[in-house]
Amino acid sequence: NAGVTQTPKFQVLKTGQSMTLQCAQDMNHNSMYWYRQDPGMGLRLIYYSASEGTTDKGEVPNGYNVSRLNKREFSLRLESAAPSQTSVYFCASKGNPNQPQHFGDGTRLSIL
Amino acid sequence: DAKTTQPNSMESNEEEPVHLPCNHSTISGTDYIHWYRQLPSQGPEYVIHGLTSNVNNRMASLAIAEDRKSSTLILHRATLRDAAVYYCILRPISGNTPLVFGKGTRLSVIA
Repeated sequence: NAGVTQTPKFQVLKTGQSMTLQCAQDMNHNSMYWYRQDPGMGLRLIYYSASEGTTDKGEVPNGYNVSRLNKREFSLRLESAAPSQTSVYFCASKGNPNQPQHFGDGTRLSIL
Repeated sequence: DAKTTQPNSMESNEEEPVHLPCNHSTISGTDYIHWYRQLPSQGPEYVIHGLTSNVNNRMASLAIAEDRKSSTLILHRATLRDAAVYYCILRPISGNTPLVFGKGTRLSVIA
């Protein structure tokens, strides 16, 4: 059982390039989330999807777009990468409302 | 959102019990208390959660104050593998409200 799978694990981009981070879960969870984590900080929510077909902004959505492709997959897109978006990105999913969130291992993104 | 306050860091000796405190004086009656931890270079993982009563599972125990304004995560016997950042998070009972992370407590375990 793979849980939450994020690809790629590492990526280096140049300023202005675009990139899509992929996330897939195999637990039949309804809700999925994208967070970013900067050094020494807690995770901050970028976007989330409470169920297939819906997406909502989190605390730091500027510069990002998301797509809930189907129940399994939730992608995060950077249209024009900026150095301030250098961070570790975590995807998470959750089943019923009172179940815990399950996290992937993260994508380490550097923008030069 | 109701806020939590945790010490920035704590230290423990290996094989000793560890008590990680969390203050949440503005907690509402419908907030669960959740604990997650994040090992180095990994995503957060769920530890335990509770509402009013103390809770035990294979990883830890959660002691909740009678007035619910504070709680304590108890690791009964710390191992080197327990070195991580521990997050105390409040979450409403119903709905799909995302977790809101603070800075947590960085636990160091000394051999």
